[in-house]
Amino acid sequence: NAGVMQNPRHLVRRRGQEARLRCSPMKGHSHVYWYRQLPEEGLKFMVYLQKENIIDESGMPKERFSAEFPKEGPSILRIQQVVRGDSAAYFCASSPEFEQFFGPGTRLTVL
Amino acid sequence: KNEVEQSPQNLTAQEGEFITINCSYSVGISALHWLQQHPGGGIVSLFMLSSGKKKHGRLIATINIQEKHSSLHITASHPRDSAVYICAVGFGGGSQGNLIFGKGTKLSVKP
Repeated sequence: NAGVMQNPRHLVRRRGQEARLRCSPMKGHSHVYWYRQLPEEGLKFMVYLQKENIIDESGMPKERFSAEFPKEGPSILRIQQVVRGDSAAYFCASSPEFEQFFGPGTRLTVL
Repeated sequence: KNEVEQSPQNLTAQEGEFITINCSYSVGISALHWLQQHPGGGIVSLFMLSSGKKKHGRLIATINIQEKHSSLHITASHPRDSAVYICAVGFGGGSQGNLIFGKGTKLSVKP
């Protein structure tokens, strides 16, 4: 059973471009969580999804950020019109119910 | 608002020493997680606790629900234990993914 997979591991974008981060949960896990770790800061919750549903998006910025977890395929965190302040490590975690298993993260750098 | 406080922030130990990292939180929770973040940035889930004590190899985690306090112990520490250890609390129910994280304890074990 492969672990949580995230790709790309590193992503470089220029200001104004779009960033798409992918997360493939562990087999049998129907819960996906996205977290952001800004440089020199702790992890912060962004959004919690189950298949085809957003359960809690209280940590997501209101603009430019969106997330989905379709019936088929990985969960996607999409950041439109990126700004330098979006540079961070983005982690996803998956869970069968409560215990969360983390992916390796995607490090986004905005030039 | 739940606050998660960890101590110490930084810890340097000699190989073989017994290490304790503490975590306190301010409101009732459904579960507490201990995570390990390696210098390369990946996150590993070490424990999820709702009561009592768990042991895995040289790692022991305890939680006291009444005192809202948890400890992570490392016996016979080794340089490969050098990492940031993060405490996170969850609330269950519809917001079970909305983990709140401590700032982490940076552990360095010298040979």
